[in-house]
Amino acid sequence: EAQVTQNPRYLITVTGKKLTVTCSQNMNHEYMSWYRQDPGLGLRQIYYSMNVEVTDKGDVPEGYKVSRKEKRNFPLILESPSPNQTSLYFCASSSIFAGETQYFGPGTRLLVL
Amino acid sequence: DAKTTQPTSMDCAEGRAANLPCNHSTISGNEYVYWYRQIHSQGPQYIIHGLKNNETNEMASLIITEDRKSSTLILPHATLRDTAVYYCIALRGAQKLVFGQGTRLTINP
Repeated sequence: EAQVTQNPRYLITVTGKKLTVTCSQNMNHEYMSWYRQDPGLGLRQIYYSMNVEVTDKGDVPEGYKVSRKEKRNFPLILESPSPNQTSLYFCASSSIFAGETQYFGPGTRLLVL
Repeated sequence: DAKTTQPTSMDCAEGRAANLPCNHSTISGNEYVYWYRQIHSQGPQYIIHGLKNNETNEMASLIITEDRKSSTLILPHATLRDTAVYYCIALRGAQKLVFGQGTRLTINP
């Protein structure tokens, strides 16, 4: 089954404790992206990647890092989480060709105390 | 990317067709019209997309006007599980998705 998976689905942590949220897709997609969703602010892009070893900042990259060492994986790293990073996070992937569809993962709900 | 305009909310009776409109008067020639929905904090779910022609899949139909300035998503036989926020987006493809406020569709028994 074609899908985007994220782990963990729920996470409670404390300020400053490094964490990684994994994202994996099995559709051989070149493009992958991370979004965060907050009430009243909609979906905002954090980082995206057009292919292996090619990443770029989205609209809200501060406090986040990403890497794309393999085509299928695109982990989101919070080196020193802060309470303002409490949010619902989504990973998405698609082919790079025009007219292709972005598929989303199920989401990771993060609470930083 | 073209800005889209949708009604804030709509209601539909279970079993009836739900018709969700979207205006995208500034859409450019190479931008597709995409529809997604989000059911209560789940991951946004792709529904359908099209460029010029009307499209149909197992979930819905998409009717695009000839001038491409507006479109309508049709859920032919709405069920309670179709209650969600529906987003209409115009873009070329592998780009940042910008979800506006969308239409909150409520299916009533």
